[in-house]
Amino acid sequence: NAGVMQNPRHLVRRRGQEARLRCSPMKGHSHVYWYRQLPEEGLKFMVYLQKENIIDESGMPKERFSAEFPKEGPSILRIQQVVRGDSAAYFCASSPSEGGWETQYFGPGTRLLVL
Amino acid sequence: AQSVTQLDSQVPVFEEAPVELRCNYSSSVSVYLFWYVQYPNQGLQLLLKYLSGSTLVKGINGFEAEFNKSQTSFHLRKPSVHISDTAEYFCAVSVAGGGNKLTFGTGTQLKVEL
Repeated sequence: NAGVMQNPRHLVRRRGQEARLRCSPMKGHSHVYWYRQLPEEGLKFMVYLQKENIIDESGMPKERFSAEFPKEGPSILRIQQVVRGDSAAYFCASSPSEGGWETQYFGPGTRLLVL
Repeated sequence: AQSVTQLDSQVPVFEEAPVELRCNYSSSVSVYLFWYVQYPNQGLQLLLKYLSGSTLVKGINGFEAEFNKSQTSFHLRKPSVHISDTAEYFCAVSVAGGGNKLTFGTGTQLKVEL
């Protein structure tokens, strides 16, 4: 049973470019979460999605960031016009159902470097 | 809103010695508590979680944690560490009945030395 998959593992972008991060949840999981880890900090919640729906985006920056989880295919975190402050590790997690007691299974992360 | 405090950013310890990593949380409602481990350049792996019931929770790799409601703590312990335990450890909470998002502490780097 494959775990949560993220690609690319490393992504380098110049300021002003777009970054697209992909996440395929574990088989049978329909709940996806995105977290950002800045250097020397813990993980910060960004967004929680179910298939075709954004459930909680309270941690998403108001501009330039968007997320989707289409009916078919992976979840995508999109960052437009990247700036150096976007450099971080972005982790995706998935769970089989809704509920704070559920274990979230994490992917290996995408490390974004903005030059 | 809830918050998690991990006061120790780094904990050095010799191999086969016991270790305790501290975690305190703040919340006005009931929470679920988690400990995750992150090895270099990898994702997070669940060590253990507390949902309800017995306050002593046993996890993988010989780790255990004790929930103390009065002190709002959830410290992680291991009686004898191994070199392979060197990693970053994160404490996290989610709110009971309040959605799924995890609130993480800033992490504790455990460094096991020979």
